[in-house]
Amino acid sequence: EVQLVESGGGLVQPGGSLRLSCAASGFTFSSHWMSWVRQAPGKGLEWVANIKQDGSERYYVDSVKGRFTISRDNAKNSLYLQMNSLRVEDTAMYYCARVEGSSSSWWKFDYWGQGTLVTVSS
Amino acid sequence: DIQMTQSPSSLSASVGDRVTITCQASQDITKCLNWYQQKPGKAPNLLIYDASNLETGVPSRFSGSGTGTDFSFTISSLQPEDIATYYCQQYGNLPWTFGQGTKVEIK
Repeated sequence: EVQLVESGGGLVQPGGSLRLSCAASGFTFSSHWMSWVRQAPGKGLEWVANIKQDGSERYYVDSVKGRFTISRDNAKNSLYLQMNSLRVEDTAMYYCARVEGSSSSWWKFDYWGQGTLVTVSS
Repeated sequence: DIQMTQSPSSLSASVGDRVTITCQASQDITKCLNWYQQKPGKAPNLLIYDASNLETGVPSRFSGSGTGTDFSFTISSLQPEDIATYYCQQYGNLPWTFGQGTKVEIK
């Protein structure tokens, strides 16, 4: 059974940092692109970042470029999101999602974690 | 960035009704579109990928169609357990973007 379990969320002051983790199990982690998707309270979904299987390619939404870094450790079956210079508008539930597909076919978020809540407030 | 516009933003229908949600992309995305269901307090769940392919394990009352800029999502016979918010999502170009969501309620 595929499982994605996020951790690391919490309350942080504006300008602070936080590192989110996502522990993956039940599938070959090193074979999949992975993503972070967030959802502000009462709002819609926003894709945040993608990372290729070997970490050689990373993509970000403009609003987090230069502040957030997605990374992975395939030996530990883990995905990370290092968040620096946090802003009030980064307050959201952060979901880890498995990406299935390829550039020659389709892409889809086929499994999601339960999310970890990040609150940026003074 | 590609903007995804869903309509309606909310709807109320009776059990057994046919429900249709539309999603319009701001530019041609061919068939690069997925649909997700999100129940309150839960993570999203993939229903339809590549505009019209039903994800494994998803009931056949859910369907999707469209290509280019105009897409639709249909529940052929609304069930009580379908109460949720539905999102379209394009993967034609980065950044991948979602529609604003359609909240479906029972009348």
